[in-house]
Amino acid sequence: AQSVSQHNHHVILSEAASLELGCNYSYGGTVNLFWYVQYPGQHLQLLLKYFSGDPLVKGIKGFEAEFIKSKFSFNLRKPSVQWSDTAEYFCAAQNGGSNYKLTFGKGTLLTVNP
Amino acid sequence: EAGVAQSPRYKIIEKRQSVAFWCNPISGHATLYWYQQILGQGPKLLIQFQNNGVVDDSQLPKDRFSAERLKGVDSTLKIQPAKLEDSAVYLCASSLSVGGEQFFGPGTRLTVL
Repeated sequence: AQSVSQHNHHVILSEAASLELGCNYSYGGTVNLFWYVQYPGQHLQLLLKYFSGDPLVKGIKGFEAEFIKSKFSFNLRKPSVQWSDTAEYFCAAQNGGSNYKLTFGKGTLLTVNP
Repeated sequence: EAGVAQSPRYKIIEKRQSVAFWCNPISGHATLYWYQQILGQGPKLLIQFQNNGVVDDSQLPKDRFSAERLKGVDSTLKIQPAKLEDSAVYLCASSLSVGGEQFFGPGTRLTVL
């Protein structure tokens, strides 16, 4: 069965610090990968996605993620975080063999202190 | 473009009572999903519809949960009878088609006492 692991439960950073959130998935076939973000009091929204092609994917608000197939990883990065990036971040994987079901990790809460 | 609508936003019930949630997807989206998100965890898919047919309900506890999408547009999710462990946020999402980008609603926070 497909599973997604997020390495950090809660990350606390100061503004301007660099961010990297880890994500690993277990499925061995072709997968689509996503990072979703949930700001306080708001809906889950898509941050970025990887289907194929360039393994370095750029998303909204300066976020990027790198797909490393050999490591089954899709880590999220941002060079300089802002207070407004405080949110919960979810990594998710989707594969065509299971009706494109989306499997989420447990999430990482990011707190950015001003 | 209007987003995914859900109601109610909050619901508090006692165990063994029944409850129903409603979802209206983005207009034109054929695929509709219901997720359960327990505190501290990521969303877990309960059921996926393509138009008014069920694509995947493998993780739906069918002894107490039911869902329908009769006209292929809006959907209801019901729990009867509720248990304490059903306390969670129930999210509805929709996409243009299976495998498409999913757009999420605000969720319904259920508390079972």
